[in-house]
Amino acid sequence: KQEVTQIPAALSVPEGENLVLNCSFTDSAIYNLQWFRQDPGKGLTSLLLIQSSQREQTSGRLNASLDKSSGRSTLYIAASQPGDSATYLCAVRPGETSGSRLTFGEGTQLTVNP
Amino acid sequence: SQTIHQWPATLVQPVGSPLSLECTVEGTSNPNLYWYRQAAGRGLQLLFYSIGIDQISSEVPQNLSASRPQDRQFILSSKKLLLSDSGFYLCAWRQGGHSPLHFGNGTRLTVT
Repeated sequence: KQEVTQIPAALSVPEGENLVLNCSFTDSAIYNLQWFRQDPGKGLTSLLLIQSSQREQTSGRLNASLDKSSGRSTLYIAASQPGDSATYLCAVRPGETSGSRLTFGEGTQLTVNP
Repeated sequence: SQTIHQWPATLVQPVGSPLSLECTVEGTSNPNLYWYRQAAGRGLQLLFYSIGIDQISSEVPQNLSASRPQDRQFILSSKKLLLSDSGFYLCAWRQGGHSPLHFGNGTRLTVT
């Protein structure tokens, strides 16, 4: 059974700092991995999706990496801003079939202090 | 562009009352549709998913049901709500292949 862990559960940093969020998974046979952010009381917003054959994806100040063999992904946020404050979740998808269900981590709650 | 609409945003219902939550997707056809529940401190739980009209799979046995009356419409229902049904319900969709999963804004359900 796939398990996804995100450590730390909460992180507080000053504005402008570069930071890394971690996601680890127990079964390396994944199809893709997706990072989301969730603002309080809102749905999840997709940030980046990395296919199993890729090593990283970038969008603006965000960079996500994937190391399947070690079961790890990181989300790098450059020059953090207070607006980045949210809970960040990663999710792995095991297979290609339409019913292939994602396994989510519990998330890292990020606070960026002005 | 594709958008997903979910309503209502909040709902307070007494125990034993019925439930109907609706979700629609615009700008695409034949999407895969999902209902998740997010309980405080317990992560996301997949409740139902659908790969087409009248093709719905249930992940967790409970007093909830789902229907897909139209290609881009997904409905979550219950005949009689329990206190334990309280939570944050999220609808999501994606296309096939490596397409990402996209979520609606969620419905906060409180059963009293």
